[in-house]
Amino acid sequence: EPEVTQTPSHQVTQMGQEVILRCVPISNHLYFYWYRQILGQKVEFLVSFYNNEISEKSEIFDDQFSVERPDGSNFTLKIRSTKLEDSAMYFCASLVGTSYNEQFFGPGTRLTVL
Amino acid sequence: GENVEQHPSTLSVQEGDSAVIKCTYSDSASNYFPWYKQELGKRPQLIIDIRSNVGEKKDQRIAVTLNKTAKHFSLHITETQPEDSAVYFCAAKGDGGFKTIFGAGTRLFVKA
Repeated sequence: EPEVTQTPSHQVTQMGQEVILRCVPISNHLYFYWYRQILGQKVEFLVSFYNNEISEKSEIFDDQFSVERPDGSNFTLKIRSTKLEDSAMYFCASLVGTSYNEQFFGPGTRLTVL
Repeated sequence: GENVEQHPSTLSVQEGDSAVIKCTYSDSASNYFPWYKQELGKRPQLIIDIRSNVGEKKDQRIAVTLNKTAKHFSLHITETQPEDSAVYFCAAKGDGGFKTIFGAGTRLFVKA
C-alpha cells in the first residue's frame, strides 16, 4: 500500500540555522499539506499546496516558512532561521483530489532546535 | 475562526468499560469528521470517519455519532482493551482539499 514518506526522521539544528524537511507524497495525490505538533499538544495546520501553489496557510506559516515542490515527487518545507519554538513534530500529508477527504499522513520529522 | 473543542482531556477507564469522547466544531462548512489515534512519537492514524450526511457509523467496537444541527460529534469505544490506550483526536474538515482542524486530544488510559 502506498505511503507518504518523510526524511529525516529526526533533525537537530542550532537556532538561526535553516532546515529543509522533505516529504514524498503518494504519487497520484494532488493536494499536499504540512502540519506541526508541539510535544503534548494538538496537530496544527501550517499550509496546503495544490497545483504548484499555496492554497491556504495559517498564522503560524510566516515569512520564515516556505514550501516547494521541486520535482514531480518531493514536497519540502523550509524554515529559514529556526527558533527554539519551532521545535516540534512536522507531519506531511497528501490527499487524492477534490472529491476525496481522507488525508494520508507521513511518519513525521521531529525537529529539535537548540 | 475555525475551532474544534474536545472533551475530556484525560479519560481513565477499566478494561471492558466504554469510553466516550465528545467534540464540537464551529465551521458550518465542515462536512467530514475523522477520528485519529496517536501513539507516542507516531503519526495520527485514522480509525473512523463520518460525513455530514450520516448520523452514525460503527466499525466493530468503535462508533461515531454526529449531530450537525448542534455541531456535536462523539466517539464511542466499547469493551475497551489496554491496547486502546493512546491519545485520540477528533477533527473537522470541509470537502475536498481543505485543511483538517484538530481538537486538543484526549489521553485515554485503559486499566487492566
